[in-house]
Amino acid sequence: QSALTQPASVSGSPGQSITLTCTGATHAYVSWYQQHPGKAPNLVIYDVNIRPPGVSYRFSGSKSGNSASLIISGLQAEDEADYYCSSFINNNFIFGGGTKLTVL
Amino acid sequence: EVQLVESGGGLVKPGGSLRLSCATSGFTFTTHNMIWVRQAPGRGLEYVACINDDGRYIYHADSVVGRFTVSRDNGRHSLYLQMNSLRVEDTAVYYCTRDRSPRLRMDSMPDTWGQGALVTVSS
Repeated sequence: QSALTQPASVSGSPGQSITLTCTGATHAYVSWYQQHPGKAPNLVIYDVNIRPPGVSYRFSGSKSGNSASLIISGLQAEDEADYYCSSFINNNFIFGGGTKLTVL
Repeated sequence: EVQLVESGGGLVKPGGSLRLSCATSGFTFTTHNMIWVRQAPGRGLEYVACINDDGRYIYHADSVVGRFTVSRDNGRHSLYLQMNSLRVEDTAVYYCTRDRSPRLRMDSMPDTWGQGALVTVSS
């Protein structure tokens, strides 16, 4: 079965820009979800680089080959969360294993 | 405001059954595919099942096929998940989510999530 691979953890300091990667994205319909502890996931980027209403402009996305990226600029304490990439592949919704972002 | 509210979670013994419900409001329920996603404690997200806008096309993940059944009542704007032959490994928070598309296709994705319902399978 197809898989989306994400690093288990990433860290950065306030004000920095940070990139979260997702390998295995075979088409342009990649979405990213932010999940704070004890909360439901929230969509932050879809179709590689589109931001839903209400999501901070500091969140952006890109894709090169089979690797998608979520870029968070001007890192803030509230960005500390788990981030999951997702795509619909071979008639299955596939989620990456998630990346825990720590703001130092 | 789009709202998805799950109910029906709880503690059940292995081999038991449980039915989750998801009451929706704030959008045209009949024009969206709906998806169940679960998350085991301390683990990532896992797709469970989905059902298209009119209920004719239903898909279940391999891990639950033959045990779980997704359904919907468009008149009540509600989504359901009947879970039978429950196993310890089914313990998870179950999320009701809305697909932006009316039916499964390449651009399908959950765009709105409920708060989740905890299902605990334990003896």
